[in-house]
Amino acid sequence: DGGITQSPKYLFRKEGQNVTLSCEQNLNHDAMYWYRQDPGQGLRLIYYSQIVNDFQKGDIAEGYSVSREKKESFPLTVTSAQKNPTAFYLCASSAPGQGEVVGELFFGEGSRLTVL
Amino acid sequence: AQSVTQLGSHVSVSEGALVLLRCNYSSSVPPYLFWYVQYPNQGLQLLLKYTSAATLVKGINGFEAEFKKSETSFHLTKPSAHMSDAAEYFCAVSPYSGGGADGLTFGKGTHLIIQP
Repeated sequence: DGGITQSPKYLFRKEGQNVTLSCEQNLNHDAMYWYRQDPGQGLRLIYYSQIVNDFQKGDIAEGYSVSREKKESFPLTVTSAQKNPTAFYLCASSAPGQGEVVGELFFGEGSRLTVL
Repeated sequence: AQSVTQLGSHVSVSEGALVLLRCNYSSSVPPYLFWYVQYPNQGLQLLLKYTSAATLVKGINGFEAEFKKSETSFHLTKPSAHMSDAAEYFCAVSPYSGGGADGLTFGKGTHLIIQP
């Protein structure tokens, strides 16, 4: 079955450590996204990538970094510069112009990061 | 610029009663509109979408929504609530001009509580 796989599901980090969240998709989608979710704040866009080897900052990119070396993969690194990293992180993909409705996102199951 | 306002961070209804979750949008261009549902510690699942065809849109699990341009609204309804409907619901907007590959703009979410 096609879908988006995020790992790990739960992650604990000590202050000052960088961590990388994995996101893999087999939907053959060109576009991929990372959102951060905090209680009562909805979803906020961190980074997105419309094509391999290219990505753009979203609304809250500070303290995060990404790469897009393969179409299927879009890992997110939460760096020590992120002051409040405890949150639920969601990866998504879409395929505007590839037969999917413009803007419709397909989500992974999420990764919950807790800083100790 | 686009934005979404969901009225009521928490909505409580009795089992069997009507469910009404409110969403108003702001968009400088004609929008595509979406409702997503999220169960605890999971990703988002698409309930339904408006793509400029029929203004009354039917989705999964008995939900439907009506696009009203004059009121800039896209409220979600279900005639009879079930205990399994308890979840977080998100309204989202995307412009259908300009490619739409820069992600969706989400509301802050409405937590639906079903009373037995």
